[in-house]
Amino acid sequence: DQQVKQNSPSLSVQEGRISILNCDYTNSMFDYFLWYKKYPAEGPTFLISISSIKDKNEDGRFTVFLNKSAKHLSLHIVPSQPGDSAVYFCAASGRGRRALTFGSGTRLQVQP
Amino acid sequence: GAGVSQSPSNKVTEKGKDVELRCDPISGHTALYWYRQSLGQGLEFLIYFQGNSAPDKSGLPSDRFSAERTGGSVSTLTIQRTQQEDSAVYLCASSAGDSSYNEQFFGPGTRLTVL
Repeated sequence: DQQVKQNSPSLSVQEGRISILNCDYTNSMFDYFLWYKKYPAEGPTFLISISSIKDKNEDGRFTVFLNKSAKHLSLHIVPSQPGDSAVYFCAASGRGRRALTFGSGTRLQVQP
Repeated sequence: GAGVSQSPSNKVTEKGKDVELRCDPISGHTALYWYRQSLGQGLEFLIYFQGNSAPDKSGLPSDRFSAERTGGSVSTLTIQRTQQEDSAVYLCASSAGDSSYNEQFFGPGTRLTVL
């Protein structure tokens, strides 16, 4: 039972355009959501997070939106740069369990 | 400062052999997590250590898997009688505390291949 789902395995955008990565979750106990970025042969690195008490969090070119009623979050990257090309994982944690539950990832390719 | 380190970076073993994977967390981090990523999958939680508390072993897939954390620092994940389905990248992460807001820092992983 996948509690965190990333339904798009890959996404390709042009440099300078917006990248939108989506994530859905099923567990209502999740109260904190994160995005991690992973380059080949490296561990994931934290990118941005959002608490369930908010619906938006922004950090530079990265914005995460949370729609609790739809159990959906998205990561917007504007403008996209070739260095953003990586696999992006959505993750969630909740009360009583601090380990993260990850989605299967979306491979983003930003074309120069 | 030094990040999370893992060794070996790659391990090839034969089916039925035991393997040990090591994780050195960031100094001072009290929480340590093991995850694994199978081909084409997301990261799957295995086990979690927090200070002196009993570990959360709820993610271990079978009793062939075990882990320990000595002195609240280095951790070893042991897989006994390895099977081909154990082939994956095993990732370790540490954080300064066990709050959701404590960022988990990941090591580069150990790629395990079971022939």
